[in-house]
Amino acid sequence: QSVLTQPPSVSGAPGQRVTISCTGASSNIGAGYDVHWYQHLPGTAPKLLIYGNSNRPSGVPDRFSGSKSGTSASLAITGLQAEDEADYYCQSYDSSLSGSVFGGGTKLTVL
Amino acid sequence: QVQLQESGPGLVKPSQTLSLTCTVSGGSISSGSAYWNWIRQPAGKALEWIGRIYTSGSTNYNPSLKSRVTMSVDTSKNQFSLRLSSVTAADTAVYYCARGAGGLRYDYWGQGILVTVSS
Repeated sequence: QSVLTQPPSVSGAPGQRVTISCTGASSNIGAGYDVHWYQHLPGTAPKLLIYGNSNRPSGVPDRFSGSKSGTSASLAITGLQAEDEADYYCQSYDSSLSGSVFGGGTKLTVL
Repeated sequence: QVQLQESGPGLVKPSQTLSLTCTVSGGSISSGSAYWNWIRQPAGKALEWIGRIYTSGSTNYNPSLKSRVTMSVDTSKNQFSLRLSSVTAADTAVYYCARGAGGLRYDYWGQGILVTVSS
């Protein structure tokens, strides 16, 4: 059981918009700690997609956006493309565990 | 472009010590305020942060693994290492090394190495 809760899977057709939620608690997201998002294709290095809740590293398309409110965060992907098919993970810090925590991951399928 | 590469045995016997090394290229391991992390993922399960080390040698470990984890850094080789003692089948996982940056984000990762604990 992950400290941060994500839906196991989401799907969408090319061109559509999808969102992935990440639900935490008062000891992590709700305490004000930053949420970061990663894109992971099996067998490759995970890639930082969003940092500090809503910031994109250089080279990440603006189709990807992040937001945070209360004890939850969300990743939105607009203009869905086949290459977006991957696993997505949220991550934050938990003060009661004194360390970084991750969501269980969400598999995005592009129909 | 910073790159990280994990190396070490892919098979470890139960009760023995797992040892992995991460080699950093494309930049000095001592530059800036970065810190260096180990993260693992058992098959079908979530990512789990193992711990981090600063080039000063200061460490922080996941409390659930703290009694079995030791990390070290060799700035002359641009490497940092993980030792996990008394392993069991539950330690079978893909192990990643990653660079930590501000806000506790991980901005560069290795591709991961599968370590299987089995006799």
